[in-house]
Amino acid sequence: GAVVSQHPSRVICKSGTSVKIECRSLDFQATTMFWYRQFPKQSLMLMATSNEGSKATYEQGVEKDKFLINHASLTLSTLTVTSAHPEDSSFYICSANSGTPFGTEAFFGQGTRLTVV
Amino acid sequence: KQEVTQIPAALSVPEGENLVLNCSFTDSAIYNLQWFRQDPGKGLTSLLLIQSSQREQTSGRLNASLDKSSGRSTLYIAASQPGDSATYLCAVPPSNDYKLSFGAGTTVTVRA
Repeated sequence: GAVVSQHPSRVICKSGTSVKIECRSLDFQATTMFWYRQFPKQSLMLMATSNEGSKATYEQGVEKDKFLINHASLTLSTLTVTSAHPEDSSFYICSANSGTPFGTEAFFGQGTRLTVV
Repeated sequence: KQEVTQIPAALSVPEGENLVLNCSFTDSAIYNLQWFRQDPGKGLTSLLLIQSSQREQTSGRLNASLDKSSGRSTLYIAASQPGDSATYLCAVPPSNDYKLSFGAGTTVTVRA
């Protein structure tokens, strides 16, 4: 299957700093990528849809100024957690579809464990 | 809004036993259904994708069935192995959208 690479896998940052997480589609182009957050022992919660060349669309309740998304190319989307606080500590996962997001297989990155101290 | 339920929440079986994992969804107007595996602290690995026009899909020891009209899918894992221990998630996008709705998952433990 297609490969989605996410980096870093783990990051620890100080409260008040910003952290950038990268999501790359390695062997296909993705006009749309998705960012999820997962709390311990819970399922995935969609945060936002990243669209190449345009603004991301955020789910209800997700602060767009806190979670900045940039999708500058067909193979790279980034999520920046700005002014991080301990409550932002979580597992973040990205995904992309190998074609149109309608009806095609979704592939996920390895996830990023963010710890804010 | 699509609601996805997975039963049971957890399952522990001895090695060699067949596994049956259930997924139900409320809106049957779907594009497809996808089964994933998640190991602790890791991302999701796609196992099987069933299109809405299909009734089942097979890959090795895995077989997934889909009954759209009743809003159900079942993942069968034959001859389970300790390496099958993981959390299994099903996800469904509604036909008018591409966003995946996930179940809470079934955590499987296969005892050696």
